[in-house]
Amino acid sequence: KAGVTQTPRYLIKTRGQQVTLSCSPISGHRSVSWYQQTPGQGLQFLFEYFSETQRNKGNFPGRFSGRQFSNSRSEMNVSTLELGDSALYLCASSRQVSTDTQYFGPGTRLTVL
Amino acid sequence: EDKVVQSPLSLVVHEGDTVTLNCSYEVTNFRSLLWYKQEKKAPTFLFMLTSSGIEKKSGRLSSILDKKELFSILNITATQTGDSAIYLCAVGGGVGGGSNYKLTFGKGTLLTVNP
Repeated sequence: KAGVTQTPRYLIKTRGQQVTLSCSPISGHRSVSWYQQTPGQGLQFLFEYFSETQRNKGNFPGRFSGRQFSNSRSEMNVSTLELGDSALYLCASSRQVSTDTQYFGPGTRLTVL
Repeated sequence: EDKVVQSPLSLVVHEGDTVTLNCSYEVTNFRSLLWYKQEKKAPTFLFMLTSSGIEKKSGRLSSILDKKELFSILNITATQTGDSAIYLCAVGGGVGGGSNYKLTFGKGTLLTVNP
């Protein structure tokens, strides 16, 4: 069974630009959660999607948004990039919404210059 | 605000040593505690704990939860260089449960096992 996949794996952007990251969950998993990981803050929850609806949201500004498609694939968008947005963005999938065991993808390393 | 604190933040040991990693938490409507191992890639799931006092084991790794004192430990015996990684503790919970449920992660413990 294929694991969670994320694209692209690495991305370099400049301040003010926007970026879209993609996540494909494990087959049969319908929930996708997104996290931001930085050395200072650790792993922080961004949001969770299930059945194309955002079910929960962390404490991030509105520049961070996402969506989920009917095939459970999810995208995350960050607009007006700031230097502090440089991080590893991880997505995780689980069978149902708010299910405890989440399986992570390899992440997208975003660098903002 | 939900909080998960791991200690120590980093640890250096020699192969064969036994290590204990700690995780304490303050989370609304606690549901479960999870341990993940992260090398230079995606965090991989190790254990999920929901009941106090029941040890989960997988090879040289074991973990136990104390819901009264709000903490968990992860033990690794006979450490190997391949155990070098960041170990993450996450707690599932949230106000009102249901759609407000989320995982709150600690900052991790960086374990380095030297040959």
